[in-house]
Amino acid sequence: QQQVKQSPQSLIVQKGGISIINCAYENTAFDYFPWYQQFPGKGPALLIAIRPDVSEKKEGRFTISFNKSAKQFSLHIMDSQPGDSATYFCAASEYNNNDMRFGAGTRLTVKP
Amino acid sequence: NAGVTQTPKFQVLKTGQSMTLQCAQDMNHNSMYWYRQDPGMGLRLIYYSASEGTTDKGEVPNGYNVSRLNKREFSLRLESAAPSQTSVYFCASSGDVYSGNTIYFGEGSWLTVV
Repeated sequence: QQQVKQSPQSLIVQKGGISIINCAYENTAFDYFPWYQQFPGKGPALLIAIRPDVSEKKEGRFTISFNKSAKQFSLHIMDSQPGDSATYFCAASEYNNNDMRFGAGTRLTVKP
Repeated sequence: NAGVTQTPKFQVLKTGQSMTLQCAQDMNHNSMYWYRQDPGMGLRLIYYSASEGTTDKGEVPNGYNVSRLNKREFSLRLESAAPSQTSVYFCASSGDVYSGNTIYFGEGSWLTVV
């Protein structure tokens, strides 16, 4: 079974809107939560990551919100742009562990 | 700086054939990985190598073998390909675990087994 559950599977947002992607995990030993962005024909690339000692991390238009008690974290993309159209993966692992578990992915389309 | 390079980019195999996917990284990373990506399943870890000379099974190792040839190279072998192994395969690498878990991916290898 997937240890990291991601929703929605696909998302369509108008330019300038807010895109929100949610993830939930089960393993309480996870303590590193990255988000990866993947464009068609390319490999995933790290976008932003958070550790559970903070509830929010912001980098430009991208924000991770983290709720340790609910075992949930989410990615918010503010002022979404057509160039943000890609597939986004959440992931989780123990900090010093090579076994990273990925969500199923969300295909984001930002309409002009 | 090439990062993670994997070959071939595309391959079509017949059921029962064997093949090896090659991967090399030039970032002096200790850890290397092979993932497969399937629609609706995300990325699933097949095997990883935490350091030269060591390999470990990931989430979906059945039907695959790996070799960590040296620090730079990590290959994935399909001994007898099956249609269920039709997928996009990604090689990846990461640095010292104490510097974080950022994983750097190659551009993928599209494999079709008919």
